[in-house]
Amino acid sequence: NAGVTQTPKFQVLKTGQSMTLQCAQDMNHEYMSWYRQDPGMGLRLIHYSVGAGITDQGEVPNGYNVSRSTTEDFPLRLLSAAPSQTSVYFCASRSTGRDSPLHFGNGTRLTVT
Amino acid sequence: GESVGLHLPTLSVQEGDNSIINCAYSNSASDYFIWYKQESGKGPQFIIDIRSNMDKRQGQRVTVLLNKTVKHLSLQIAATQPGDSAVYFCAENPYINTGRRALTFGSGTRLQVQP
Repeated sequence: NAGVTQTPKFQVLKTGQSMTLQCAQDMNHEYMSWYRQDPGMGLRLIHYSVGAGITDQGEVPNGYNVSRSTTEDFPLRLLSAAPSQTSVYFCASRSTGRDSPLHFGNGTRLTVT
Repeated sequence: GESVGLHLPTLSVQEGDNSIINCAYSNSASDYFIWYKQESGKGPQFIIDIRSNMDKRQGQRVTVLLNKTVKHLSLQIAATQPGDSAVYFCAENPYINTGRRALTFGSGTRLQVQP
């Protein structure tokens, strides 16, 4: 199993550009989520999904869109990038059942200039 | 490259010593807690978890202690090795704005193991 795969690993955008961060998992996990990691602030939840066709907002959803058309994929879209979105983004998934740990990808480092 | 901040609290220990990393969690409604390890340039890696009906849980070289009275969690690493050098995060599962539970993370502690 590859686990959780994120692409790209690095990305530089100009302010106002759009892009999609890709996330795929091969563990048949129903639950998927996106976090951003900023210095000194730990990981903060952006959006999450409890299954195909279902998405919901986390702590810091503004400026980001998600969709979940399949169990495997959970892309994160930035419609108009801003410097405040410079961060490292992590996708994570877990099996159903409330008490199960998240499995993380290796992240996408995004810089917005 | 660095994937976490430069101003994290740091615990420095000698190789072979035991390490104790502490975490104060914020939400008394949380009932599931996890410790993660993050090495530079990688995503967080699951170490051990504990449910609120337990006070202690042991894994291989690691022990998690939970004190619900003071909302405190600790991770003990026995016989610390250079490969244990990383940033360690605790996470809890409070209800968030949507009414569902979601994992929320502390800001992390950097463990440095001196040879």
